[in-house]
Amino acid sequence: DTGVSQDPRHKITKRGQNVTFRCDPISEHNRLYWYRQTLGQGPEFLTYFQNEAQLEKSRLLSDRFSAERPKGSFSTLEIQRTEQGDSAMYLCASSLYSGSGYNEQFFGPGTRLTVL
Amino acid sequence: AQTVTQSQPEMSVQEAETVTLSCTYDTSESDYYLFWYKQPPSRQMILVIRQEAYKQQNATENRFSVNFQKAAKSFSLKISDSQLGDAAMYFCAYRRNDMRFGAGTRLTVKP
Repeated sequence: DTGVSQDPRHKITKRGQNVTFRCDPISEHNRLYWYRQTLGQGPEFLTYFQNEAQLEKSRLLSDRFSAERPKGSFSTLEIQRTEQGDSAMYLCASSLYSGSGYNEQFFGPGTRLTVL
Repeated sequence: AQTVTQSQPEMSVQEAETVTLSCTYDTSESDYYLFWYKQPPSRQMILVIRQEAYKQQNATENRFSVNFQKAAKSFSLKISDSQLGDAAMYFCAYRRNDMRFGAGTRLTVKP
């Protein structure tokens, strides 16, 4: 399967702990996006990368959240000092941006975080 | 700010019948994309259909078609000949720069 993969699929943690999620995009996709989806809601944009550069961050991305894409391939999303309100599905998507026009985003299966 | 509203939290359709899911959005831009995504239970989100705002012609993908009313900022999805596999959450989304999603409509298909 050459789609977007995310690891882990599920994570249960205690409040105050740090967690890190990984996303592997479709090979050769230069853009990678992170979204958060809470129960009963649509995904909310968090941030995106073009290659290794983080080009945009939502104000939803508090300073407890940090995302990296060091080599322009996989990305990690870290949440420090988790809070119960961080419980959500964290979705990753990737796309191939060629400089103009439309680029379809392909979504991964998500990482479901539960903060106790 | 761009917002996307899906006013139908749940919809139900009989197998082989037609159902229409509603979506409205708010924007001051003239050039953007609109999407419908399908999210089956415990499975990843997949693109159903997209519409470029500059195109007047409504997009169609097999049994899925849209009714795009740009002036009214309305973007509804019609599913014809509904199948059991169509049961899922459906999200309407707007994209100018980042992607904005509606809250979703849960579609149930009755055999």
